[in-house]
Amino acid sequence: DQQVKQNSPSLSVQEGRISILNCDYTNSMFDYFLWYKKYPAEGPTFLISISSIKDKNEDGRFTVFLNKSAKHLSLHIVPSQPGDSAVYFCAASGEGGATNKLIFGTGTLLAVQP
Amino acid sequence: DTGVSQDPRHKITKRGQNVTFRCDPISEHNRLYWYRQTLGQGPEFLTYFQNEAQLEKSRLLSDRFSAERPKGSFSTLEIQRTEQGDSAMYLCASSVGQGDEKLFFGSGTQLSVL
Repeated sequence: DQQVKQNSPSLSVQEGRISILNCDYTNSMFDYFLWYKKYPAEGPTFLISISSIKDKNEDGRFTVFLNKSAKHLSLHIVPSQPGDSAVYFCAASGEGGATNKLIFGTGTLLAVQP
Repeated sequence: DTGVSQDPRHKITKRGQNVTFRCDPISEHNRLYWYRQTLGQGPEFLTYFQNEAQLEKSRLLSDRFSAERPKGSFSTLEIQRTEQGDSAMYLCASSVGQGDEKLFFGSGTQLSVL
């Protein structure tokens, strides 16, 4: 049972335009959400996060939006740059227990075309 | 902050052999996690340590897998009698250990079982 879903395996965007990556979750106990970026042969790198008490968090070119009623979050990158090309993973925590382990989606491969 | 370090980066082994991976977390981090990632999937949680105590193990962690974190510092993950299905990227992550927080990942160990 996939609790965190990224339904778009890939996305192609022109340099300078906006990239929008989407993520849906099923577990209403999740209360903390993160986006990670991953280059080939490297570990995931933290990008941005949002607590369930907020609906928006912004950091430079990156903004994450959370819609709790729809159990949906999105990552906006504007303007997109070729160096943003990577796999982006959505992750969630708070399903219960003390571990704060992250549950990851399957990832979206973003390609930013020059 | 030297980051999370994993060794080796790559491991090729024959089916039935035992392998051991090492993870050195960020020095002040109390929590340590092991994840596994296969092609086209997001990282999947394997196990979690709070200091030296192993507090949670995933159903993915069969009896052939064992993890330790002696003295709450580095951790090892051993796979006995490897199978071809064990081929994956094994990722280690650490975190400070305070509430909702991001995990810092190492570059991973890529295991290939022939």
